[in-house]
Amino acid sequence: GQQVMQIPQYQHVQEGEDFTTYCNSSTTLSNIQWYKQRPGGHPVFLIQLVKSGEVKKQKRLTFQFGEAKKNSSLHITATQTTDVGTYFCAGPDNDMRFGAGTRLTVKP
Amino acid sequence: DVKVTQSSRYLVKRTGEKVFLECVQDMDHENMFWYRQDPGLGLRLIYFSYDVKMKEKGDIPEGYSVSREKKERFSLILESTSTNQTSMYLCVCRGLAGELFFGEGSRLTVL
Repeated sequence: GQQVMQIPQYQHVQEGEDFTTYCNSSTTLSNIQWYKQRPGGHPVFLIQLVKSGEVKKQKRLTFQFGEAKKNSSLHITATQTTDVGTYFCAGPDNDMRFGAGTRLTVKP
Repeated sequence: DVKVTQSSRYLVKRTGEKVFLECVQDMDHENMFWYRQDPGLGLRLIYFSYDVKMKEKGDIPEGYSVSREKKERFSLILESTSTNQTSMYLCVCRGLAGELFFGEGSRLTVL
């Protein structure tokens, strides 16, 4: 199945800095989902994007779906230590295969 | 939300032993998945099922099999474990809106 490529693999930021992770697909996606996995936990659903160019916000998190529906991003404004974890994207078009994830660490 | 329960949180087995990982969901959903998660490799799809008695291979099915005799139950079977199967195994159920609900995971160590 097709994979979604996710970058970067790791990101270390100072608390208060912004953070962005990107997902890219070579094929058009019907929708894309984002998950967060805290250290020692299991992935938890954050959001699903369906429409071309869609932008959704959850407090300091902004999710975007590209116009061509081949890429997506998750942006966190002013990171906090509670944002630590690994963020995954996943697409149902490929039987829910996940990107490799971006591991975010935040220095207080 | 869907509750996904994995029967074993931690297991330690010796090479060659059989392992049976059971997973139960409480919402009568059709789509269920098994992943393994290893450091640096993300979540890799082993098998999935979209209905009772239906199963499809994921990306890494070798050394694994599955059973879906009832809709709420999706089991992962390791007939003869090897050390490279030491991993965290995650059972997942897809909800009506398409979102995935994860079990707590089963950490298997094969000695």
